[in-house]
Amino acid sequence: GESVGLHLPTLSVQEGDNSIINCAYSNSASDYFIWYKQESGKGPQFIIDIRSNMDKRQGQRVTVLLNKTVKHLSLQIAATQPGDSAVYFCAEIPSGNTPLVFGKGTRLSVIA
Amino acid sequence: KAGVTQTPRYLIKTRGQQVTLSCSPISGHRSVSWYQQTPGQGLQFLFEYFSETQRNKGNFPGRFSGRQFSNSRSEMNVSTLELGDSALYLCASSPGGRTSGEQYFGPGTRLTVT
Repeated sequence: GESVGLHLPTLSVQEGDNSIINCAYSNSASDYFIWYKQESGKGPQFIIDIRSNMDKRQGQRVTVLLNKTVKHLSLQIAATQPGDSAVYFCAEIPSGNTPLVFGKGTRLSVIA
Repeated sequence: KAGVTQTPRYLIKTRGQQVTLSCSPISGHRSVSWYQQTPGQGLQFLFEYFSETQRNKGNFPGRFSGRQFSNSRSEMNVSTLELGDSALYLCASSPGGRTSGEQYFGPGTRLTVT
C-alpha cells in the first residue's frame, strides 16, 4: 500500500482565503517531509520542507504543520491567489538516503 | 542558473520498441533521480544516480534502466515498451550528498506507447 496519501483529491477556495491541504503518512520512522507544487505542463516545484524534530515551519505565505502523534502533515497557504492553482504533493523520506515517497496529490483550484 | 532540462519533451513509440530519455541537471548538481508519473499511480520513484553510481532503485522491472555520465547528465532507457509505460517521465536533480527532498524537477518527457 501507499505510505503517503491525501485526505481530499480536490480543493476549491475563493481568492484571498486561506487554503489548507492535508496529508497522512503511515511510516512513523519518517524524518523528513516535503511539499511540492505542480502546475500544468511543468515538473513539481519544491515549496517547503520540515524535519521530524519540528512541528511547524513557515515560509513566504506558506506554513507546514507536522503532527507526529497522528502522522499528519498539512500545508497552509495564506491569502490564496490564482497563481496558487496547481496540484500539491506531500512527500516523505522514510530514513537516511532512501528515496522520496510521494502522495497522490491534491488539486487546488482558486476561484476569482 | 539554467534549470533541469529533459529531451525530448514528447515521444510516441510502438509496443516492443525501446526508448532513451535524457536529462541534464542543474550545473553543479551531482544527484539525478527519475520518476514516472501517471494518473493512476501518481509519482513513482525509478532510480537515483549520484557520482555515476546508482544509489537507489525503485520497484520497477529490469526493462527500466539508467546511467549517469561524468558530467552528471543522465539517461534512462526502457526496453520492450508496453502500453502501461505511457507516462510522464520526470528527472530531478539535487546538489548531492544525503538524499535531499529539495529536488529540482525538469518539465518531463511525455511518452506515449501505442
